[in-house]
Amino acid sequence: AQSVTQLDSHVSVSEGTPVLLRCNYSSSYSPSLFWYVQHPNKGLQLLLKYTSAATLVKGINGFEAEFKKSETSFHLTKPSAHMSDAAEYFCVVSQAGTALIFGKGTTLSVSS
Amino acid sequence: DTGVSQNPRHKITKRGQNVTFRCDPISEHNRLYWYRQTLGQGPEFLTYFQNEAQLEKSRLLSDRFSAERPKGSFSTLEIQRTEQGDSAMYLCASSPGVGSGNTIYFGEGSWLTVV
Repeated sequence: AQSVTQLDSHVSVSEGTPVLLRCNYSSSYSPSLFWYVQHPNKGLQLLLKYTSAATLVKGINGFEAEFKKSETSFHLTKPSAHMSDAAEYFCVVSQAGTALIFGKGTTLSVSS
Repeated sequence: DTGVSQNPRHKITKRGQNVTFRCDPISEHNRLYWYRQTLGQGPEFLTYFQNEAQLEKSRLLSDRFSAERPKGSFSTLEIQRTEQGDSAMYLCASSPGVGSGNTIYFGEGSWLTVV
């Protein structure tokens, strides 16, 4: 069975400092991995996805994630946080032919 | 492109009543998904369609829930005899086709409150 574990339920950073949101996955086969963001009362927006091409994936709004098979991790990073980055972030895994499996989410707070 | 559209956006209903949500996917997307999200949790998969065929249903989808996609375009999710535990946001999503690398696009969700 496939699953994802988001290691932090809440992360707080100051504006301008780096962001690290951690995700470990479990999958029997080569997975596809995604990060989605959800702003309050808004739908889910895709930040980036990994589909067995380059292991370092660049997404929107300056976010990137690195697929590390040996560590079964797919952590999300951003060099410099912005106030508008405050939101809920979901790490997601998918295998061919199956639906997306979401982690429980990490709430990112950004202070000025 | 108008994105995935869901109606109604908010619904308050009394326990025991039936409710129906509608989802219009992105044009020509042949996969359509339904998810449920409760406060503080990630979305949980309910069911998905490939064109008009319902290919998979989660154990979360009790017999009070039924989803249809009659012509392979829009979809409806009906909840019969609603219970307070059904209160959640119901998310619809669509994707262009088969393959786990296909991006899945989500609508803004339909909030259900059962009182």
